[in-house]
Amino acid sequence: DGGITQSPKYLFRKEGQNVTLSCEQNLNHDAMYWYRQDPGQGLRLIYYSQIVNDFQKGDIAEGYSVSREKKESFPLTVTSAQKNPTAFYLCASSIGLDSYEQYFGPGTRLTVT
Amino acid sequence: GESVGLHLPTLSVQEGDNSIINCAYSNSASDYFIWYKQESGKGPQFIIDIRSNMDKRQGQRVTVLLNKTVKHLSLQIAATQPGDSAVYFCAESWHGNKLVFGAGTILRVKS
Repeated sequence: DGGITQSPKYLFRKEGQNVTLSCEQNLNHDAMYWYRQDPGQGLRLIYYSQIVNDFQKGDIAEGYSVSREKKESFPLTVTSAQKNPTAFYLCASSIGLDSYEQYFGPGTRLTVT
Repeated sequence: GESVGLHLPTLSVQEGDNSIINCAYSNSASDYFIWYKQESGKGPQFIIDIRSNMDKRQGQRVTVLLNKTVKHLSLQIAATQPGDSAVYFCAESWHGNKLVFGAGTILRVKS
């Protein structure tokens, strides 16, 4: 079964703690993305990666970090510097950056109190 | 289909009727458009896409219309079913750049 998995589905953290969200894909896609979704708003791009060991900041990268050590994996760390981290986080992948259609994972809902 | 702060526009339709969801896009240079469906608590699912050299594309029960003159995109769903209830949003891209997403429209299907 090919697809994108994100874990966990729900995550709760105390303010001031870093937290890492997992994203794995077995679609053999080169490009991967992290988005943040807030109520009533469109998806906002946090970080994206075109190939292994390379990634670029998106529109709202402050307070987040990523790594791309393997093609299949693109974990996102929400750091304590992120001022408003509670949100629904979506990971996506595509064949390449110039391949338009993106496939999404099921999302992780992060709640920070 | 424009969002207004935290309140997404909502379209309510009777089961069996046709639905039309609208999207105004921002960039006249956009050459690719895509519609996604997102059910509550889930990731978006691809519905249909269209390139700027077309003005209409049909899928199974869905049709996307593109009007480049007024930068308008619409998604038509035929014979709407309760399972179609979701948030629908469009995205645009230009010259191979990353997708830019709209906020979405809530579709509610009444039985």
